[in-house]
Amino acid sequence: LAKTTQPISMDSYEGQEVNITCSHNNIATNDYITWYQQFPSQGPRFIIQGYKTKVTNEVASLFIPADRKSSTLSLPRVSLSDTAVYYCLVGPSYNTDKLIFGTGTRLQVFP
Amino acid sequence: DTGVSQDPRHKITKRGQNVTFRCDPISEHNRLYWYRQTLGQGPEFLTYFQNEAQLEKSRLLSDRFSAERPKGSFSTLEIQRTEQGDSAMYLCASRPDQSTDTQYFGPGTRLTVL
Repeated sequence: LAKTTQPISMDSYEGQEVNITCSHNNIATNDYITWYQQFPSQGPRFIIQGYKTKVTNEVASLFIPADRKSSTLSLPRVSLSDTAVYYCLVGPSYNTDKLIFGTGTRLQVFP
Repeated sequence: DTGVSQDPRHKITKRGQNVTFRCDPISEHNRLYWYRQTLGQGPEFLTYFQNEAQLEKSRLLSDRFSAERPKGSFSTLEIQRTEQGDSAMYLCASRPDQSTDTQYFGPGTRLTVL
């Protein structure tokens, strides 16, 4: 499984755009890139998944360059409620039976 | 609230005691998963069920741990002779069988072993 590297923590202010980058240099051809969000005292929640280029949904955008060795989760206009830990997973699609989480990025949003 | 419930939400026990946690998945979700999460780390896969069959167990699941899903609905995770290193959040997740859907996680049971 591809190893991922993310910043341990990030700070932002309300209304700003936040970009969290994940490095995955040894991503395999059939690997997907999936991001999860975890609030304190809750389980992780699926945010977005992509394979290449750009994916956008109502929560976030995911940018994946052509070499797929990194990816960037973009959260537009964050609010206090976006304070959470964000995990980048590289491997089978999100409907796999075994999710492999790293240590994640702890995002703190300030007023 | 994802619809996956776990009980209890918190458990404090003394070293050497046995503890049991319960997970009620979303109705009609055939697959049920257990993960363990220690402070500052991401969740780690422990085991999963398809209906009542336990299909995979992680090496993390030592012989002191046992998980069951007798009727293919709720599941229990028992830890015997607890150790301080067992202190963690135990997360349960479920998803429909043969689906493109992701796993839905419950709120977890936080275990503290004194």
